[in-house]
Amino acid sequence: DAKTTQPPSMDCAEGRAANLPCNHSTISGNEYVYWYRQIHSQGPQYIIHGLKNNETNEMASLIITEDRKSSTLILPHATLRDTAVYYCIVRVLGNAGNMLTFGGGTRLMVKP
Amino acid sequence: NAGVTQTPKFQVLKTGQSMTLQCAQDMNHEYMSWYRQDPGMGLRLIHYSVGAGITDQGEVPNGYNVSRSTTEDFPLRLLSAAPSQTSVYFCASSGIGTVTGNPTGELFFGEGSRLTVL
Repeated sequence: DAKTTQPPSMDCAEGRAANLPCNHSTISGNEYVYWYRQIHSQGPQYIIHGLKNNETNEMASLIITEDRKSSTLILPHATLRDTAVYYCIVRVLGNAGNMLTFGGGTRLMVKP
Repeated sequence: NAGVTQTPKFQVLKTGQSMTLQCAQDMNHEYMSWYRQDPGMGLRLIHYSVGAGITDQGEVPNGYNVSRSTTEDFPLRLLSAAPSQTSVYFCASSGIGTVTGNPTGELFFGEGSRLTVL
């Protein structure tokens, strides 16, 4: 699976959009981009995933660049409860022999 | 719907003791896995299973055993606990996409088991 690079930490004002970047310059054509988050010491929570098209769900939007070498997770109206570590993961869908590999992630601090 | 249930939530062991961390899921998921998370670190895969009777090693398997006799349960055994195994352990499961027939990649995690080895 391709390696990802994320900034170690970011701040965001409550109510504003949080834009979390992820670099995956070695991504291959059949690898998906996944985002998870971990609030405090709870188990990680799935947010969203995509292949090449932008995706949106009730939690967030995922913007993938045309060359697929980077992506951005957007939380449109961040709240204090969105303070968490956000993980960007790249993997081949259907690769049962390789479960998700979590890196260091980005620690997002939403401030009042 | 309970999702993924881990027991115990907290455990203190002495070096050399053995124990089993329990994990059960009620979503009929084929894929289950165990991760450990050390303070300030990301999650590292210990063992995983793609179905009943099938298990394989992850990134950090040494000192741990697993078995998968049923779809629902995936226990993690520490054979002889060491202080280096002090960590938070997470169990996760995922299903198969109804369209693709492949794993969805959407993992459901338990709340974690916090283990301290003295």
